[in-house]
Amino acid sequence: AQSVTQPDIHITVSEGASLELRCNYSYGATPYLFWYVQSPGQGLQLLLKYFSGDTLVQGIKGFEAEFKRSQSSFNLRKPSVHWSDAAEYFCAVGPYNTDKLIFGTGTRLQVFP
Amino acid sequence: DAGVIQSPRHEVTEMGQEVTLRCKPISGHDYLFWYRQTMMRGLELLIYFNNNVPIDDSGMPEDRFSAKMPNASFSTLKIQPSEPRDSAVYFCASTVGDRGKNEQFFGPGTRLTVL
Repeated sequence: AQSVTQPDIHITVSEGASLELRCNYSYGATPYLFWYVQSPGQGLQLLLKYFSGDTLVQGIKGFEAEFKRSQSSFNLRKPSVHWSDAAEYFCAVGPYNTDKLIFGTGTRLQVFP
Repeated sequence: DAGVIQSPRHEVTEMGQEVTLRCKPISGHDYLFWYRQTMMRGLELLIYFNNNVPIDDSGMPEDRFSAKMPNASFSTLKIQPSEPRDSAVYFCASTVGDRGKNEQFFGPGTRLTVL
């Protein structure tokens, strides 16, 4: 069965520091991969997505993610975190040729000034 | 566009009562999804529709839950009777279908508390 693992439940960083959020998936082929962000009291918003091609994808708000087939990973990165990035981040897998998304359990990011 | 609209934003009810959550998807979107978010289970897909037809309801927890989409601009999720373990945030999302490639647009959610 397809699954998504976000091993870090909670991460704390200082403003201006770099960030990497981990995501691993389990699937027989390369699925569609997504990162969403949820601010407190809000719905989810898409940061970026990967289907094929260049394994480094750029998203909104200065985020990027790298797909590594050999590691079944799709980690999210940002070189310099801003206080407004404090939120919960979800990795999601869209199994090929379906309409569904399978979400990871999320990583809560806290940013200290 | 106003985005996905959900109502009510907050609902507090007593165990045994019927609860109806409402969703208006983005105009032109042909897929609608209902999710439930809890601390224990994370974000779970309950059911989704394509062109108003339920496609997959395997995530619906039990017969107390039902969902309808009478037209392209409206969907409901009903819980009858409600139980305290149904307390969660319920999200509706919509998208234009392209075999899963397109962004799902989420509503702000309905926070349900069952006492």
